[in-house]
This record gives sequence, C-alpha cells and structure tokens, in this order.
Amino acid sequence: GAVVSQHPSWVICKSGTSVKIECRSLDFQATTMFWYRQFPKQSLMLMATSNEGSKATYEQGVEKDKFLINHASLTLSTLTVTSAHPEDSSFYICSAIQGQGITEAFFGQGTRLTVV
Amino acid sequence: AQSVAQPEDQVNVAEGNPLTVKCTYSVSGNPYLFWYVQYPNRGLQFLLKYITGDNLVKGSYGFEAEFNKSQTSFHLKKPSALVSDSALYFCAVRDPTGNTGGFKTIFGAGTRLFVKA
Repeated sequence: GAVVSQHPSWVICKSGTSVKIECRSLDFQATTMFWYRQFPKQSLMLMATSNEGSKATYEQGVEKDKFLINHASLTLSTLTVTSAHPEDSSFYICSAIQGQGITEAFFGQGTRLTVV
Repeated sequence: AQSVAQPEDQVNVAEGNPLTVKCTYSVSGNPYLFWYVQYPNRGLQFLLKYITGDNLVKGSYGFEAEFNKSQTSFHLKKPSALVSDSALYFCAVRDPTGNTGGFKTIFGAGTRLFVKA
C-alpha cells in the first residue's frame, strides 16, 4: 500500500518553544491530509483537514493559531505546535488520502511530543 | 452528525478461538466504514473497508467484517485468533454527504484485543 512518513517520531521540547512535525506521502500524491491527536488509551481526535494549496479546516475547539498547518505540496503537510506547553504533550498522527475517490486513509507512524 | 461507537474497551480471547470486535455507527447517508489496527507507538494500519456491495468484507491478516444496515453495525471478526493479533482496533466512518466531500473520517474509541496463548 501507499506509504506515509512522519518525522520526527519523537521530540522533546522546552515549554514556550515551537515544534514542527512533517508528514510526507512517499509514493503518491495526497490531495487531502489529516492531523489527529491521540491521548493515552484514547481514540484519535481529528484536529484539522488540509488540502494542498488552501487553508486548513480546523475542528471545533482546536486553536488554529496554536496548531499551524501548512499543506504546501501534494506530498507534504506540516503541523507546527507554537509556544508549546506541557498540556500539548501527546501523540500526533497524520494521514493522507490519495485522489478524490473513496479510498482508505494511509497513516504516518505518529510523533510523540513531550513538552517539558 | 456522524459517530462511531465501540462498546467494548477490551476483548479477551484465547488463541485459536474466533474473535469479534463490535462497532456501531450513525451517519445521515450511506456510510463508508473502515477498520484499522494500531500497534504500540505506531500509526494506524488499514485492515478493510465497506463502501457498497457484499455485506461481508474480507481484509488483511484473515480479518473480515459484516455490514448490517438494519442494526447499523460493522463488527470485525476473525475465525481463529493469533497472539500476534493483540493490538488496538479502531472502527471508523466517513459520511459521503459531509461538507468535506466525504473525506473526514471519525474514529471510534478503540477496542484493545488481548489474545492469550
């Protein structure tokens, strides 16, 4: 199947700094990418949907100024957690959909963010 | 609004026995339904999907799922469980009538499957 690579797989940062997470579709063009947040032993919470070349659509309750999403090309989306705080510590997962058809999403391996 | 329910936090089964992981859904139109599996500290892997057609869908690693429209269910099944099947399983739904063109996927809370040797 198609491969989605997420980088880094883990990161530790100091409170107040910003962290960028990359999500790349390696062998296909991703028209739509999604960013999820997963708390321990919980489901994936959709944060935002991004389409290449346009602004991301954020879910209710997600601060768009804190979680900056850029989908600059059909193979790359980035999530930047700005002015990170310990409560932002979580597992962040991206996924991508190929084309416009009814296809399954392909997921990155996730990024474990720890803010100290 | 679309939603997915996985009523069991955990399912325990002995190796070699059949397993069922339950999922019910709620969407306004005809649903697109998916099952994914997650291993510790990893992203999700696709198992199978139902879009239309046969109610019984076969997927990866010997898993299958049955779409039941009247009961709005999409239970995941496997005839003979393996210890290596132990993982976290997520049911997911996409509503094709949704305002994001049907691409927005909503996940259930997840069910942890333990297969004992």
